[in-house]
Amino acid sequence: DAMVIQNPRYQVTQFGKPVTLSCSQTLNHNVMYWYQQKSSQAPKLLFHYYDKDFNNEADTPDNFQSRRPNTSFCFLDIRSPGLGDAAMYLCATSRDRGGTGGLEQYFGPGTRLTVT
Amino acid sequence: DAKTTQPTSMDCAEGRAANLPCNHSTISGNEYVYWYRQIHSQGPQYIIHGLKNNETNEMASLIITEDRKSSTLILPHATLRDTAVYYCIVRPYSGTYKYIFGTGTRLKVLA
Repeated sequence: DAMVIQNPRYQVTQFGKPVTLSCSQTLNHNVMYWYQQKSSQAPKLLFHYYDKDFNNEADTPDNFQSRRPNTSFCFLDIRSPGLGDAAMYLCATSRDRGGTGGLEQYFGPGTRLTVT
Repeated sequence: DAKTTQPTSMDCAEGRAANLPCNHSTISGNEYVYWYRQIHSQGPQYIIHGLKNNETNEMASLIITEDRKSSTLILPHATLRDTAVYYCIVRPYSGTYKYIFGTGTRLKVLA
């Protein structure tokens, strides 16, 4: 089945040690998103890619970066994780035609990040 | 900020219809209503969306009031697997890629 895959499902990193989360998709969707979801809160958009164009949300900390080397893969890099960055990180995709804003989003299962 | 208001939690007996309300009194003419749900420790799952007409698919029905200021998601025969947080989101169909999730409704289906 076509899907959004996130690896690993659980990641433990040390305070200040860079960490990379990965997302891949077999849906061939042109838009990919990264969300942060802290415990008992709703998901919050960090940034998205429209094809190769990167779009950062205004309140996303500089500590968070992203790369999209091709259509299928997208990475979330946290340069110096703090205790406050412990959260579930969700990747999502959508198919968009001509800048219409996209159709429904398909989410991966998430990576739960623990910072020690 | 989210443009929707939902009850914090609801219970529903298994096999009965679950009716989840959402208020979106400031909705604009070009904004759609989307519903997603998030089962514990999983990513959100798309359920349904609509503009002004009622919509139905294999998962649920969406009833939007005539003034579009509120809507109801209906799960016709709730099962234990429908226990989840349900998010109602309004956004334009074009011009933005951003979903602003509100606090959602935690639905618990009881055996």
